[in-house]
Amino acid sequence: EDQVTQSPEALRLQEGESSSLNCSYTVSGLRGLFWYRQDPGKGPEFLFTLYSAGEEKEKERLKATLTKKESFLHITAPKPEDSATYLCAVNSGGSNYKLTFGKGTLLTVNP
Amino acid sequence: GAGVSQSPRYKVAKRGQDVALRCDPISGHVSLFWYQQALGQGPEFLTYFQNEAQLDKSGLPSDRFFAERPEGSVSTLKIQRTQQEDSAVYLCASSLARASGVYEQYFGPGTRLTVT
Repeated sequence: EDQVTQSPEALRLQEGESSSLNCSYTVSGLRGLFWYRQDPGKGPEFLFTLYSAGEEKEKERLKATLTKKESFLHITAPKPEDSATYLCAVNSGGSNYKLTFGKGTLLTVNP
Repeated sequence: GAGVSQSPRYKVAKRGQDVALRCDPISGHVSLFWYQQALGQGPEFLTYFQNEAQLDKSGLPSDRFFAERPEGSVSTLKIQRTQQEDSAVYLCASSLARASGVYEQYFGPGTRLTVT
């Protein structure tokens, strides 16, 4: 059974203070690892898909990286508008559609 | 373009009532998914459609849950005889994914169901 563990559960940063969120996974045959952002009262918003170890993707202040056991979401010089819950999900094995999510990291960026 | 839409956004039901939740996917997306998200948790998979065919319903919690997508577009998730443990946010997602390849799933805003 696929398992996804995100840490920390919550992270509080000052504006401009860079940091990283971690997503550790245990799967049989990773097909893809996904990062989503979720604001309160809204559905998850797609950010990135990573397919293989060593892959990196960037979008504005966010950069996602992938190894064989974990993924990191690096946030450079965050702003208050980056405050949200960041969810990691994996797709693996014989199913090319089912996503298994972690519980998320609640990020708060103070001005 | 228009994203995934869901209605109603909020639903309060008395225990034992039946509810129906609607999802309008992104136009042209053949794949549609339902997820359940409890407070403080990540979404959990419920069921998957490819066009009008329900290919996987392994995540449906009980036989009180039923989903359909009769014309391969709009989908309805129905919950019969609601129980308090059914209280959650129900998310719909759609994707261009087909039999091969992995594509991104785009989520709607969700329906928050509260059973009293």
